[in-house]
Amino acid sequence: DVKVTQSSRYLVKRTGEKVFLECVQDMDHENMFWYRQDPGLGLRLIYFSYDVKMKEKGDIPEGYSVSREKKERFSLILESASTNQTSMYLCASTTGGQPQHFGDGTRLSIL
Amino acid sequence: RKEVEQDPGPFNVPEGATVAFNCTYSNSASQSFFWYRQDCRKEPKLLMSVYSSGNEDGRFTAQLNRASQYISLLIRDSKLSDSATYLCVVNHGPGSYIPTFGRGTSLIVHP
Repeated sequence: DVKVTQSSRYLVKRTGEKVFLECVQDMDHENMFWYRQDPGLGLRLIYFSYDVKMKEKGDIPEGYSVSREKKERFSLILESASTNQTSMYLCASTTGGQPQHFGDGTRLSIL
Repeated sequence: RKEVEQDPGPFNVPEGATVAFNCTYSNSASQSFFWYRQDCRKEPKLLMSVYSSGNEDGRFTAQLNRASQYISLLIRDSKLSDSATYLCVVNHGPGSYIPTFGRGTSLIVHP
């Protein structure tokens, strides 16, 4: 069974802090994704990566960056957290045209 | 860009009812299709893939209509535990790393 693990279920940070969200998958998937989900807006893609050290912007990359130094790990970075980045963050991985597998999600609150 | 559209609902049905959701997609080159289920404050989980010939998994039946570019999900004998949001997902084919998610259809099954 595919396991996608996000480092925190709940996180509270302050405005202006640099925030790191970590995601690890154990199935050797090439493709990894970061989404945020807000009520009424559905899943919105922030960044994705199709290989180590490769990254592509999604629909809402502003205020975020990512890092993929190893195949199994994909990190999302909030450079300077703001209150409008309070959200549920979801990491997913997949290979080929297979369905994505999601982590449990991180509920991030920025105060 | 509304590539995948779903009726947001909510669909409010009694236990034992049959309920059907549709999802339309705009890219005729789309190649693979999935239904996910998402419980409140949880991550999306794969419910079933959708095959060209249609497929069934217990009380759930998925259909694909390529000519009209929609997929459907039928739930028979609804249970209280079926209450969730159902997300339609479309993969656009080789060379496309990014699946497209609908915003989801909310189902509430009541006693």
